[in-house]
Amino acid sequence: SQTIHQWPATLVQPVGSPLSLECTVEGTSNPNLYWYRQAAGRGLQLLFYSVGIGQISSEVPQNLSASRPQDRQFILSSKKLLLSDSGFYLCAWGPESGLGYTFGSGTRLTVV
Amino acid sequence: GNSVTQMEGPVTLSEEAFLTINCTYTATGYPSLFWYVQYPGEGLQLLLKATKADDKGSNKGFEATYRKETTSFHLEKGSVQVSDSAVYFCALSDQYNQGGKLIFGQGTELSVKP
Repeated sequence: SQTIHQWPATLVQPVGSPLSLECTVEGTSNPNLYWYRQAAGRGLQLLFYSVGIGQISSEVPQNLSASRPQDRQFILSSKKLLLSDSGFYLCAWGPESGLGYTFGSGTRLTVV
Repeated sequence: GNSVTQMEGPVTLSEEAFLTINCTYTATGYPSLFWYVQYPGEGLQLLLKATKADDKGSNKGFEATYRKETTSFHLEKGSVQVSDSAVYFCALSDQYNQGGKLIFGQGTELSVKP
């Protein structure tokens, strides 16, 4: 069966520090992968998606970047965190048919 | 572009009350529709889905019917429990437009009191 792993679960980082969040998928190949952010009390915003290795699409201009070095690995990064980067980050994968998505357990990032 | 609009929360109900959370969508193609649930401190779980007009998705006592004529996918449950307290997200995915990305509504927080 397909599973998705996301870590760490919680993270507190100072302003200006770098960030690296990792997401890996098991049990599937060539998945579409997604990073979402949920700011406190708000909905889910799609940040990046990837349809294959090295292929990244950015949905909104921001302080973050994403990379996909392997088929089932999706990384969210920042060189210098801002206070506004605080939020709940969710990784998700979708099958090639585009029907239905599975989400990781999320990373709660607090920038202080 | 495609979009989803949900009724604003929070919604507060007593146990065993009837629940309706409204969701309407805008789409240029023929999207699939979803309801996801997020329990406190957790990620998202798929609650139910419908892939074409007039389909009814159901799970754990929740139901939603894909209404193309009203572009709606309202979530209903006949008798809510305290354990249903969570944030509910309506979403759509159009395989043939916008790369099949999952687009969410803003979420509706449900609080069920004993």
